[in-house]
This record gives sequence, structure tokens and C-alpha cells, in this order.
Amino acid sequence: NAGVMQNPRHLVRRRGQEARLRCSPMKGHSHVYWYRQLPEEGLKFMVYLQKENIIDESGMPKERFSAEFPKEGPSILRIQQVVRGDSAAYFCASSLIREAYEQYFGPGTRLTVT
Amino acid sequence: AQSVTQPDIHITVSEGASLELRCNYSYGATPYLFWYVQSPGQGLQLLLKYFSGDTLVQGIKGFEAEFKRSQSSFNLRKPSVHWSDAAEYFCALQAAGNKLTFGGGTRVLVKP
Repeated sequence: NAGVMQNPRHLVRRRGQEARLRCSPMKGHSHVYWYRQLPEEGLKFMVYLQKENIIDESGMPKERFSAEFPKEGPSILRIQQVVRGDSAAYFCASSLIREAYEQYFGPGTRLTVT
Repeated sequence: AQSVTQPDIHITVSEGASLELRCNYSYGATPYLFWYVQSPGQGLQLLLKYFSGDTLVQGIKGFEAEFKRSQSSFNLRKPSVHWSDAAEYFCALQAAGNKLTFGGGTRVLVKP
């Protein structure tokens, strides 16, 4: 049973470009979460999605960031017009059901903005 | 609002010695609690979880944690550390709404 997959593992973008981060949840998991780990900081929740629905986006920056989890295909975290402060590790996690169930994390995508 | 505090940013321990990592939480009800480990450049691996019942929970790699409601704590322990235990450890709380709230992490260094 494959774990949570994220790609790319490393992404370099120049300021002003767009970054697209992909996450494929574990087989059978329909709940996806995105977290961001800024340098020297802990992990912060960004967004929680189910298929075709955003359930909680309270941790998403108000501008330039968006996320989707379509009926088919991986979840996508999109960052438009990246800035240096977006450089971070972005982790995706998935779970089987809503509450009282552990979230399994992917290896992360390390975004570097030059 | 919920919060998680890991008071120790760094801990250095000798190989073979015992390890205890502290975690305190703030939440109005009984939380679901987790410990994750992150090796350099890697993702997070779940070590153990507490949902209810027995307050002493066993996890992988020889780790255990004890939930103490009166102290709002969920400390992680290992009787004898191995060099491969050098990593960063995160305590996390899941409150209503599913999202995890993480502590700041404790980086563990193992001396030979």
C-alpha cells in the first residue's frame, strides 16, 4: 500500500512565477490536508479538503494561494507570483475518516524561491 | 483556541540513556494527541497516538507516551536511545475540525 506521494520533492521558482505542488493521498483516503513548515518554525495548518470540497482554509494566506482536490487526480496546492517568503517545506497528509484518525504525511515538497 | 507547547528546543542525550520529551497542551476538552518524528529532509512519521482509554500508549521504535489530564501533558519517553533516534520530534493535537496543531518541535542529538 503506497503512502502519501508528493511531487516534485524539490521545486525552484524565481520571484513572480507560479508553483504547483501535487499530493496523491493514500489509497482509500478521501481527506487531504496541507501544512507548511517555514525555516526554523513548526508546522502550520493551511487547508483541509475532501474530494471537490474545501472544508477548512483558515490557515491559507488570503492572496496568491489556492488549493483543490478534484474528483479525479491529485490534490494541488497552487502559489501564484511566488515571493522569497514562500520558501518552505510543504507537507501533505491524508486520513481515512474525519476525526479520531491519524493523518499520514508525505515526504514534502521543498520550495525555494530565488 | 488550542495550543501545544514543547518547552525544550534541543535535547542532547548519550546513546543508551533514557529520553523524555515534554509536551503540554491547551484545549477545553479531551484532545486527540500524537507524536511524530521527522528525520532531516524527510516527512513526518507517526510514532504513537492517544484517543482515549489507557493513558500509557505504546508506539513504534520503542517509544511510549503518557497522557496526564491533570497536567495537560503528553510526554514521550524511550528507555534507551539509539543513534538513529536523532531527529526532530513534534507533538500534535487534533481538536474539532480535524486539523493538527503542532508544537514547535524538539531536536534530539544523540552522543556516541
